[in-house]
Amino acid sequence: QQQVKQSPQSLIVQKGGISIINCAYENTAFDYFPWYQQFPGKGPALLIAIRPDVSEKKEGRFTISFNKSAKQFSLHIMDSQPGDSATYFCAASTPLLRYDMRFGAGTRLTVKP
Amino acid sequence: GAGVSQSPSNKVTEKGKDVELRCDPISGHTALYWYRQSLGQGLEFLIYFQGNSAPDKSGLPSDRFSAERTGGSVSTLTIQRTQQEDSAVYLCASSLLDRQETQYFGPGTRLLVL
Repeated sequence: QQQVKQSPQSLIVQKGGISIINCAYENTAFDYFPWYQQFPGKGPALLIAIRPDVSEKKEGRFTISFNKSAKQFSLHIMDSQPGDSATYFCAASTPLLRYDMRFGAGTRLTVKP
Repeated sequence: GAGVSQSPSNKVTEKGKDVELRCDPISGHTALYWYRQSLGQGLEFLIYFQGNSAPDKSGLPSDRFSAERTGGSVSTLTIQRTQQEDSAVYLCASSLLDRQETQYFGPGTRLLVL
């Protein structure tokens, strides 16, 4: 069922560094690309999302970069903090099946102090 | 409460037993979703409810899985004759009907089948 490929599986970054997580998709019908953040023992929470009419979206320290021709999108976390340590999931959905989110396998981010 | 709640938070059962997992969505959210999260995997869509009806059950992995929703609120996911491969975290989410892209997740039920 997985139609979104996410990398890396795990990532270790020093405090203050930039964390970069990448996702690739095949289905050109996808038109909504959210990122979710999940802390241990909690459900995923929507972090930031982008639609393909823009190439970049920034919210605070979090930025999504979107490359429509390459069918890739990525999450950049600037000035990474230990509190950002969590599992991050990318996802995608189509307009006809908006509820059917297709998730990547997740990236476990550890930010070392 | 303000968020999506799920119960139990953990469930250990023996192979072959039936289990029921409960979800209480955010008040006013007409849309409700169940997902399964296996170890090291992303979330796998199971079923979508619009009110009390389930227009899309395509993600249910087998006929041992069923779900219902009553009163447009609480939903129950039932797994009959559990198997070890059913061990996973089962997540419930809810949203407004016209904002299905913004789903609010509960903390999940961790199911372990021995």
